Amino acid sequence: RKEVEQDPGPFNVPEGATVAFNCTYSNSASQSFFWYRQDCRKEPKLLMSVYSSGNEDGRFTAQLNRASQYISLLIRDSKLSDSATYLCVVGRSGNTGKLIFGQGTTLQVKP
Amino acid sequence: DTEVTQTPKHLVMGMTNKKSLKCEQHMGHRAMYWYKQKAKKPPELMFVYSYEKLSINESVPSRFSPECPNSSLLNLHLHALQPEDSALYLCASSLTGTGVNQPQHFGDGTRLSIL
Repeated sequence: RKEVEQDPGPFNVPEGATVAFNCTYSNSASQSFFWYRQDCRKEPKLLMSVYSSGNEDGRFTAQLNRASQYISLLIRDSKLSDSATYLCVVGRSGNTGKLIFGQGTTLQVKP
Repeated sequence: DTEVTQTPKHLVMGMTNKKSLKCEQHMGHRAMYWYKQKAKKPPELMFVYSYEKLSINESVPSRFSPECPNSSLLNLHLHALQPEDSALYLCASSLTGTGVNQPQHFGDGTRLSIL
């Protein structure tokens, strides 16, 4: 079983749709959580950190459920430019600086 | 524009060549990372430098040799690579490499092809 699991998709949605991605992690001692976005042949870019209280940045909302060990990302009012691969990333506990990446979920927003 | 700069953007080399990849950041970050990424896969961690000291080597073959000359610079020296080493090599940095993991900021990568 992978330490961080995501549904690879692809998720094909029309413009304006709301789409949600989930991610589960297996290490209960994990302490930090992030969503990254990666466009084709580009580098991963930090989309948002995920906090226990949940956080929102414009059309994007991230939630963390420590009890169930899952993280979610909600995108409202999808734009064509949201088409990308979304990587769920978890930081292990301890002084390592090591991040564990999920396989990524591909989103295609269509006109 | 990314705040982590990598050069070169593209590199083609033969299996007997020696080359180096370079990475630079001026954000005052004290942790720097090398990742390898194959198509349709997530980045795989290779090395972590924390305060200019190598803190993690993910059992990377010795044909890859990292170097951190100072807190802003990170190099990856390549020698006698194999065709399967062809990939996107990503450098990243974060504020520190200790305590609670912080987000990492990636450069735009070097696309490496081994002939």
